[in-house]
Amino acid sequence: GQQLNQSPQSMFIQEGEDVSMNCTSSSIFNTWLWYKQDPGEGPVLLIALYKAGELTSNGRLTAQFGITRKDSFLNISASIPSDVGIYFCAGAVQGAQKLVFGQGTRLTINP
Amino acid sequence: SQTIHQWPATLVQPVGSPLSLECTVEGTSNPNLYWYRQAAGRGLQLLFYSVGIGQISSEVPQNLSASRPQDRQFILSSKKLLLSDSGFYLCAWSVWGGGLETQYFGPGTRLLVL
Repeated sequence: GQQLNQSPQSMFIQEGEDVSMNCTSSSIFNTWLWYKQDPGEGPVLLIALYKAGELTSNGRLTAQFGITRKDSFLNISASIPSDVGIYFCAGAVQGAQKLVFGQGTRLTINP
Repeated sequence: SQTIHQWPATLVQPVGSPLSLECTVEGTSNPNLYWYRQAAGRGLQLLFYSVGIGQISSEVPQNLSASRPQDRQFILSSKKLLLSDSGFYLCAWSVWGGGLETQYFGPGTRLLVL
């Protein structure tokens, strides 16, 4: 079945630094989604991407749908303490009624 | 606007006891519904999904079952809980098709089996 390789698994950064994480797959996806999960809560959708090459921003967050349809990245600029959490990528294959999730990137910020 | 509810928020159950977790969605019709389990510090494991009333797809063999008695209600059950059933259970909904798939999660239920 499809798998998503999300990296890095964890990041330890200083407040104010930029963050970059990505997901890759051997399969082609038609949709890429990025979520953030705070401790003890459900994941919250940050950005949705639907076209190859699409670049979308949501405040300090920017995500891109790779041209090959097999990868996506998420950037966070000028990190702040509330950015702490686990970030998940997810992809949808045409015809499937479910998402495939990456294993998550745990972001820790030192003030 | 659409909202998704899960209850209870937290549950502590003894091994061998039954389980029933409920998820309901408001503000949308004929959604796809999903149950995920998340172990501490780990990723999301899809357990079941449903594309309509009475239609259940199981992703992994396990001690759990799911039912969808109404369009916007999804129930996760077990007849006898195991220690390994402990975890964070998340319900999600989506409207699939048209090339604009998204999925939204509920607040989750934390289950501790002792």
